[in-house]
Formats: sequence, C-alpha cells, structure tokens
Amino acid sequence: IAGITQAPTSQILAAGRRMTLRCTQDMRHNAMYWYRQDLGLGLRLIHYSNTAGTTGKGEVPDGYSVSRANTDDFPLTLASAVPSQTSVYFCASSPGQGTDTQYFGPGTRLTVL
Amino acid sequence: GQNIDQPTEMTATEGAIVQINCTYQTSGFNGLFWYQQHAGEAPTFLSYNVLDGLEEKGRFSSFLSRSKGYSYLLLKELQMKDSASYLCAVFDSNYQLIWGAGTKLIIKP
Repeated sequence: IAGITQAPTSQILAAGRRMTLRCTQDMRHNAMYWYRQDLGLGLRLIHYSNTAGTTGKGEVPDGYSVSRANTDDFPLTLASAVPSQTSVYFCASSPGQGTDTQYFGPGTRLTVL
Repeated sequence: GQNIDQPTEMTATEGAIVQINCTYQTSGFNGLFWYQQHAGEAPTFLSYNVLDGLEEKGRFSSFLSRSKGYSYLLLKELQMKDSASYLCAVFDSNYQLIWGAGTKLIIKP
C-alpha cells in the first residue's frame, strides 16, 4: 500500500441499502477526511477525524456516519442510501490538523438508484 | 456565507501562458491551496500561499493578495498534460477547507 486507498472503485446501489466505503492510509497521518464531489460544486466535507478515536461533522453530514478505530482506517457508512447521495466520494488525509496539506485517495463513484 | 469564485472553463494554446483567478469571501483566512485534478482522478497538491506575494514552482506560480481576497495560478509553457481542472481552496477561521468548484482548463495544440 502506498498513500491512500479506497474501495470499492465504483458501486451501483439500490435506494434503502446500507453501504460502507472503505479508506486506508499508510502514511501515519493523524487527520482524515471524507468529501463528496458533485458536478458544478466544490468538494464538500462530510465528516473528519483529527486523530484516532475522534470524529467531527463537516458541511454535509446528514445520512452519513464514520468511525476511526485506528490511525489507518476511516470508513464512511451510508445507513440507508438515497438517490441524492449519488456522487464521487474522496477520502483524504493530512499529517495533522490546521493548515497541513491534504492528500487524496483515488475516489469511489457511487450511484444510488 | 462563504464563497470561492473561479471561472468555470478556460481554453489556452500549447506553449502559451494562462492565468486562473480565484476570489474568496470567507470567515477568516488561514491559507490558500491550489490543486490539480485530471478527469476521473483525485485532486493533487500544487501550491500553498499564506502570505502575500508570488510563490514560484517550476512552470507553475501562485499569487496571493489577502487584502483583495484574490489569488491566481499562473501556468507557463503549457503542455497538453496540463489539461485538467484547477481547484482553489481556502482555510477559514475554523481551519475548515472551503473549496471552489474548479476551473476546467482545455489546452489546444
């Protein structure tokens, strides 16, 4: 593993189903983030974690949950998917919080029908 | 509200110079990033400005004026591989990164 990996690469999901997007980093970064990217809009922060064991809500947290049991993993769960959650999801990490540069995973393209 | 404005799309010629502007209105300012994003790929870091002035890094330079809420990314000697979207992002007073929608740069031969 080098950097940040995300799984799956893409997924088509029926509305109402539960889905977990996986994110793993091997850079020992303290902070991790989940963004969604929609056409014509900037990246929007869903949830973040400044360090293992802590999480916080971003700009658009409704319908999503996260956990940070260890430094490396930061899964994002959609409890009951809706079509408006169709988007490209990016996981990112940074060495610390504050103004550290964020490094992005390759993204997961999710379609909810 | 917080707002970052960038042109939606720009077109330039291979070998030329292009300037991509970004204006921001945020609650506080703790630095500005430029990222490059090729279609279907992840954003990758280009530059970071926290003080006024020009930061040069090879063919790419980034300028910041905090008093004007303004930055630009200057790309010289354009290559076809520079065709991508360029994202401007600002750290606000809460150290949350606020992103612009990005500028799609099309390079023509």
